[in-house]
Amino acid sequence: GAVVSQHPSWVICKSGTSVKIECRSLDFQATTMFWYRQFPKQSLMLMATSNEGSKATYEQGVEKDKFLINHASLTLSTLTVTSAHPEDSSFYICSARGGLAGVGTQYFGPGTRLLVL
Amino acid sequence: AQSVTQLGSHVSVSEGALVLLRCNYSSSVPPYLFWYVQYPNQGLQLLLKYTSAATLVKGINGFEAEFKKSETSFHLTKPSAHMSDAAEYFCAVSDNPPDKLIFGTGTRLQVFP
Repeated sequence: GAVVSQHPSWVICKSGTSVKIECRSLDFQATTMFWYRQFPKQSLMLMATSNEGSKATYEQGVEKDKFLINHASLTLSTLTVTSAHPEDSSFYICSARGGLAGVGTQYFGPGTRLLVL
Repeated sequence: AQSVTQLGSHVSVSEGALVLLRCNYSSSVPPYLFWYVQYPNQGLQLLLKYTSAATLVKGINGFEAEFKKSETSFHLTKPSAHMSDAAEYFCAVSDNPPDKLIFGTGTRLQVFP
């Protein structure tokens, strides 16, 4: 139980294009989803927290107009990297948290590697 | 503010040896504590968690961790390392009631034959 999927797993795009990443909780309802960014050989950096049906809360230094987050249902959140540039290349990981999936526990997706050329 | 310190960015052990990965936390309230493992190019997998129940927590793959309030520690151990344990391990802390996770910098475990 408590499986989280991400799609796509890999994406390569040209500079200036927008990329959408989906995060789905497959077997539980995720009241809260989180988006992280991870640089090579580094820890996870929380970008934003989203609760179903409300606006995401962004961490300090994260551009909300650059990284659009939508949490339209209890099983789906999306991260859109708008007008992507090479410096946006990174490994993006989502996690989901929901009551029946374990109190306080975040379950992570497999990650999406973004390469902007 | 909460924080997590993982001592040792790299740990190397021989197959069959004891694994000890260190984690110390700072929190103003009784925390929730977690250990996650990350294999290359993958997301994080939950190994175990402490949520103010038993102080000795058993997780998957033979790992366990002990919450020691007096030492503000939550070290991860495994009696006998396997080659398949080679990965990056992250300790994380969250408030109680749970809020966002604060991650440590990670410890890369290498297992030699």
